[in-house]
Amino acid sequence: AQSVTQLGSHVSVSEGALVLLRCNYSSSVPPYLFWYVQYPNQGLQLLLKYTSAATLVKGINGFEAEFKKSETSFHLTKPSAHMSDAAEYFCAVMESNFGNEKLTFGTGTRLTIIP
Amino acid sequence: EAGVAQSPRYKIIEKRQSVAFWCNPISGHATLYWYQQILGQGPKLLIQFQNNGVVDDSQLPKDRFSAERLKGVDSTLKIQPAKLEDSAVYLCASSFRVRGLVHEQYFGPGTRLTVT
Repeated sequence: AQSVTQLGSHVSVSEGALVLLRCNYSSSVPPYLFWYVQYPNQGLQLLLKYTSAATLVKGINGFEAEFKKSETSFHLTKPSAHMSDAAEYFCAVMESNFGNEKLTFGTGTRLTIIP
Repeated sequence: EAGVAQSPRYKIIEKRQSVAFWCNPISGHATLYWYQQILGQGPKLLIQFQNNGVVDDSQLPKDRFSAERLKGVDSTLKIQPAKLEDSAVYLCASSFRVRGLVHEQYFGPGTRLTVT
C-alpha cells in the first residue's frame, strides 16, 4: 500500500527566504510523485511531477523537487518566497496498476509568507 | 481549453436530506475521479471511472453514496441520506491516458457541502 507523510502542517517563511516543504512516501513499487497547490476556495493545481525520468524536477512558479529513493523523499523547494506562494501544498503518490492510477495524498502543508 | 466544471459550488443541507453534485470533465478525458476532502486533510478518492465504467470504488460508502457516468462524459455524485460527517469539499478530477505514460489529474473547483 502506498502512503505519504508531510512533515509540518504549517510552515511560515519570510518573503524572499527559502521555501522547503517536506514529503516522504511509502510505495511497494517505483512511484510516481506529484506536488499540488490549493489556493482558498479553489481546486488543486499541479506544480510538478516525477515519473522516473530526471530526479530533479522543475515545476511552475519557480518550484522544484528532488526525488531521493534512498531517503524515500520528494521535498519541494523554492529559493525565494513570494507573497503569492501562500497556499496549501499537497504531496501525492501514484501507483499505476494497469489503468487504476490512484493518487494518495498527504495531509497537506499550509504555507504562510511573512512580509 | 476549458477546465473541469463542477456545480453547485456550495450546498448546505440538513442531516438525512439528499444532495447531488455534478461534474463536467475536460473534453476528451476518459478518466474521471471523485474525491472527498475533509477540512484539514488531503483529498481521498471515492470513485474512479474509465469512460462510463467503474475502475475503483473501494472507498465509496455505498450504503449512502452513489455515482454514475452514464455517457462517459458528465458525472453525478449523490449522497442519500447525508450525515454530519459528510461535511467536506467534493472534488472532481479528470485525466487522459496514453499507454505507458502517466498524466496528471486536472481538478475542478470543488463543491463545499455543509451538513447541519
